[in-house]
Amino acid sequence: GQSLEQPSEVTAVEGAIVQINCTYQTSGFYGLSWYQQHDGGAPTFLSYNALDGLEETGRFSSFLSRSDSYGYLLLQELQMKDSASYFCAVSSPGGSQGNLIFGKGTKLSVKP
Amino acid sequence: KAGVTQTPRYLIKTRGQQVTLSCSPISGHRSVSWYQQTPGQGLQFLFEYFSETQRNKGNFPGRFSGRQFSNSRSEMNVSTLELGDSALYLCASSLGRQEETQYFGPGTRLLVL
Repeated sequence: GQSLEQPSEVTAVEGAIVQINCTYQTSGFYGLSWYQQHDGGAPTFLSYNALDGLEETGRFSSFLSRSDSYGYLLLQELQMKDSASYFCAVSSPGGSQGNLIFGKGTKLSVKP
Repeated sequence: KAGVTQTPRYLIKTRGQQVTLSCSPISGHRSVSWYQQTPGQGLQFLFEYFSETQRNKGNFPGRFSGRQFSNSRSEMNVSTLELGDSALYLCASSLGRQEETQYFGPGTRLLVL
């Protein structure tokens, strides 16, 4: 089957930098996405990497290495509002898992 | 552009009842996917509709069904509700190609008593 692994929890302090890793095993691969979800809210799209390398969007950056089946989300200058769950998701040919396969999520807690 | 909308936002039902949830995608999006999210299982794929046809289906029992209308709006139905169906039901829309980004609605929180 297809699977994604990411840490279940990460804690960091305000102003710090945190990296959330994601490794995946899929039979087909178009790209890696990252979503943010606050408690009680819906997943919000953050970034998408189809090619190897770093994509930067403000304080957030995402990296992909297709040869290593690995990616990460980098959050800089952490703010309290960044406390949320972060999901990596692989876009792949559809099947019983759909076109977008999600990891279990990483709960980020930002402390003052 | 308006985002993905879902109705109702909250729902309380009792075991054995049935429920219908609605999703309106972003204008111009032709693909709608449905997910069930629970604390223990994360985001699980239910099914995807594209141009009124079910294109992919997850591993859920036949009590879960869906459909899509010509305006791309989608509904999902759960019959004979069980306690374990309590969850956040999310729909997501995209233009239609499998590799494209999906955008989520706010979800419908279903509680089965």
